[in-house]
Amino acid sequence: GENVEQHPSTLSVQEGDSAVIKCTYSDSASNYFPWYKQELGKGPQLIIDIRSNVGEKKDQRIAVTLNKTAKHFSLHITETQPEDSAVYFCAASRVTGGGNKLTFGTGTQLKVEL
Amino acid sequence: DAGVIQSPRHEVTEMGQEVTLRCKPISGHNSLFWYRQTMMRGLELLIYFNNNVPIDDSGMPEDRFSAKMPNASFSTLKIQPSEPRDSAVYFCASSPGLAVHEQYFGPGTRLTVT
Repeated sequence: GENVEQHPSTLSVQEGDSAVIKCTYSDSASNYFPWYKQELGKGPQLIIDIRSNVGEKKDQRIAVTLNKTAKHFSLHITETQPEDSAVYFCAASRVTGGGNKLTFGTGTQLKVEL
Repeated sequence: DAGVIQSPRHEVTEMGQEVTLRCKPISGHNSLFWYRQTMMRGLELLIYFNNNVPIDDSGMPEDRFSAKMPNASFSTLKIQPSEPRDSAVYFCASSPGLAVHEQYFGPGTRLTVT
C-alpha cells in the first residue's frame, strides 16, 4: 500500500517568514495530493490540493509543488501569520472510480512566533 | 451551509461498554469515510461507503468495530465491547463522490475508554 512520509515534525518560524513542509510517497500510481490544516480541537480542513498532471498550484500565500519523478511534494506558506499556527498533514491517494483512500503523513506542528 | 456533523463530541465510557458514534454527511455527498486519529498511529482510514454501500473496510481494526449507513444522511460507527486502546478521536468525512477528490471532515468525537 501507499506510504507517506512527512518532514519536519515540528517547525517554528518568525511571523512574516516562509515555511516549507515536505512529503514523499511510495506508490507511483498516486494521483492526488491534498494538504490539510488541523487546529486544536477541530477536524482537518482541506487548504490546497494538487493533481498529478500539475507541477505547481498556488492560492494566495499557499503553494504546493509536486515532483512525480522523485515522488515528493511540498507545501509552501509565505508571509506567515500567527493564525497559520496549526498541525499540517499531507496525504496521497490513487483516485479511481472505485474509491479515494487517503494515506496521511504524520503531521507537522507549525508555530508562527511573533 | 452545514458541514459534516458528528455526535457526541466527547464520550467517556468504561471498558466493556458499547459505544456508538454518529455522523451526518454534507447534503448531496455520496461518499462517507470514518477515520481514527491517535498520537501513535496518526490518521487512519477505517472504512468508507459510497451510496450507502461499504466499499472498503480493510482498515477496521477488528470485529469489535462495525459501521453502518442506513441512508444517505446518517452513518454510525459502533464499538462493542470497547477497550482502553480504542481511545482516540474519530472523524467522519464526506465527499461528493468516489471519483471526486476532496474530502471534508467533521469536528470529530473524542472517545475515552477507562
